[in-house]
Amino acid sequence: SAVISQKPSRDICQRGTSLTIQCQVDSQVTMMFWYRQQPGQSLTLIATANQGSEATYESGFVIDKFPISRPNLTFSTLTVSNMSPEDSSIYLCSVSREGSTDTQYFGPGTRLTVL
Amino acid sequence: EDKVVQSPLSLVVHEGDTVTLNCSYEVTNFRSLLWYKQEKKAPTFLFMLTSSGIEKKSGRLSSILDKKELFSILNITATQTGDSAVYLCAVHSGNTPLVFGKGTRLSVIA
Repeated sequence: SAVISQKPSRDICQRGTSLTIQCQVDSQVTMMFWYRQQPGQSLTLIATANQGSEATYESGFVIDKFPISRPNLTFSTLTVSNMSPEDSSIYLCSVSREGSTDTQYFGPGTRLTVL
Repeated sequence: EDKVVQSPLSLVVHEGDTVTLNCSYEVTNFRSLLWYKQEKKAPTFLFMLTSSGIEKKSGRLSSILDKKELFSILNITATQTGDSAVYLCAVHSGNTPLVFGKGTRLSVIA
């Protein structure tokens, strides 16, 4: 497995502001993903973070709302833009390695509350 | 549309009981099924299953897959309060991302 850290671990934000969440892995990984888990719900994939190119977004998620960067093989950021209370969720990054791409390991998560 | 259904949604047992959690799925081009334990925020990987009938085991936890009937079970024997968590089942199909079920919330009381 990989050691994954996320910052911040939690935040309380005002409506209309933006928050950038960082995900750092202790070794190079093939794939990095960003998920959202709304209260009482399961995990929903937002996008796959591609190294050196634009992220691949799932249906219902757009780059303007959730811009993602992945400048190298160990780091990615997710920004939640122009936040509303509906964006209150846990945001999780996950990674998988070449040769075992089906197994995803998750970071500790960021709990976001939007007032 | 790919679908993963877990049952029961919640379960309360006493320490020492054995529990069985269920996961059924409807996906095209099945590749693998994964089980995770989520205690606070981060899901922790438990098992990945790709072949029918082969039991994966880790301590008191075990899991098996039935690709003909399209389901998997997760067994926990001699439950402890530390087993209290949400258990998530997720399925890979084709080139689509992981599809997660809603989870089973297990509460183990002393």
